[in-house]
Order: sequence, then structure tokens, then C-alpha cells
Amino acid sequence: AQSVTQPDIHITVSEGASLELRCNYSYGATPYLFWYVQSPGQGLQLLLKYFSGDTLVQGIKGFEAEFKRSQSSFNLRKPSVHWSDAAEYFCAVKGNEKLTFGTGTRLTIIP
Amino acid sequence: NAGVMQNPRHLVRRRGQEARLRCSPMKGHSHVYWYRQLPEEGLKFMVYLQKENIIDESGMPKERFSAEFPKEGPSILRIQQVVRGDSAAYFCASSPVSDRDAEAFFGQGTRLTVV
Repeated sequence: AQSVTQPDIHITVSEGASLELRCNYSYGATPYLFWYVQSPGQGLQLLLKYFSGDTLVQGIKGFEAEFKRSQSSFNLRKPSVHWSDAAEYFCAVKGNEKLTFGTGTRLTIIP
Repeated sequence: NAGVMQNPRHLVRRRGQEARLRCSPMKGHSHVYWYRQLPEEGLKFMVYLQKENIIDESGMPKERFSAEFPKEGPSILRIQQVVRGDSAAYFCASSPVSDRDAEAFFGQGTRLTVV
């Protein structure tokens, strides 16, 4: 069975600081991995995805993520956060057909 | 090309009533997924449908919940005799194909409140 763990429920960072959100997955074969962002009261928007190839993937809004097979991780990073990045972030793994999500990390930005 | 449309955005039902949630996928998309998000939790898979077929309903509660995706019209998630525990945000996603690398596009959700 596939599963995703996001160990950090809530993270607070200062505007302009760097960010790393952790994601660990469990899947028996090559994982297809995704990061989504959800603003309050909104649906989910895809930030980036990894299927194969270069293990460092670039996404929208200046985000990137690195796939590390040895650690079963797919951490999301951003060098300098903006106040508009405050949102809920979800990591997901896709098996044959459906996405399995982590419980999310809520990001708060302080001035 | 409009995105995935869900309606209503907000739905209030009394205990025992029925709730019908509608999802119109993006144009050209024939695969629909329903997810439920409880407060302070992630999204839980409920059901995966193609036109006129239920492919995977492993996440659907055994009773009171049903889903359909007819040949014409939106996909419908139906909850009969709602209870307080059904209060949640219900999200629909669609994709053009079922390939693993196909992106799923999400609607803005329907927030169901049972009073």
C-alpha cells in the first residue's frame, strides 16, 4: 500500500527566509510524487511533480523539490518565502490510478 | 477552458437529509476522482470513476454514500441520511487519462455542514 508522511503539522518562517517542508513516502515501485498547495477555502494547485530523470525538479512560484530514493523523501524547498506563500502544502504519491495525500503542513509567514 | 467546477460551494443539511454534490470535469476529461477533507486532515480518496463506470470505490463508506458519472452531465456524489460526521470539504479532481503521469486538476470543493 502507498502512504505519505508529512512530519511537520505547522511551520512558521519569517518572510525572506528559506523554507523546507518534509515529505516521506512509502511505495513498492518507482513513485510518482507531487506537491500541491491549498489556500484557505480553495482547491488544490499543483506546484511540481516528479516521475523520473533529474531528481531535482523545479515548480511554479519558485518552489523546487528533491527526490531522494535512499531516504524515501521528496522535500519541498524555497530559497526565500513571500507572505503570499502562507497556505497548506500537501505531498502526494500516485500508484496506479489514485493520489494518496499526506496530512499536510500549514505554513505561516511572519513579517 | 474552464477548470473543474463543483457546486454548490457550500451546502448545509440537517441530519437525515440527502446531500448531492456535483462535479463538472474539465473539457475533454473523462476521469473523475472524489476526495474528502476533514478538518485538520489531508485529503482521503473516496472513489474513482470514468464515464458510466466506477473503477475504484475502495474509499467510499459502505453505507449512505454513492457516486456516479453518467455519459452526459456532471459526476454526482450522493450522501443519504447525512450525519454530523459527514461535515467536511469534498473535492473533485479530473484528468484526461488514467496514466500515472497525468495531472489531476482539482475543483474548489464543496463544504458540507450538517446541523
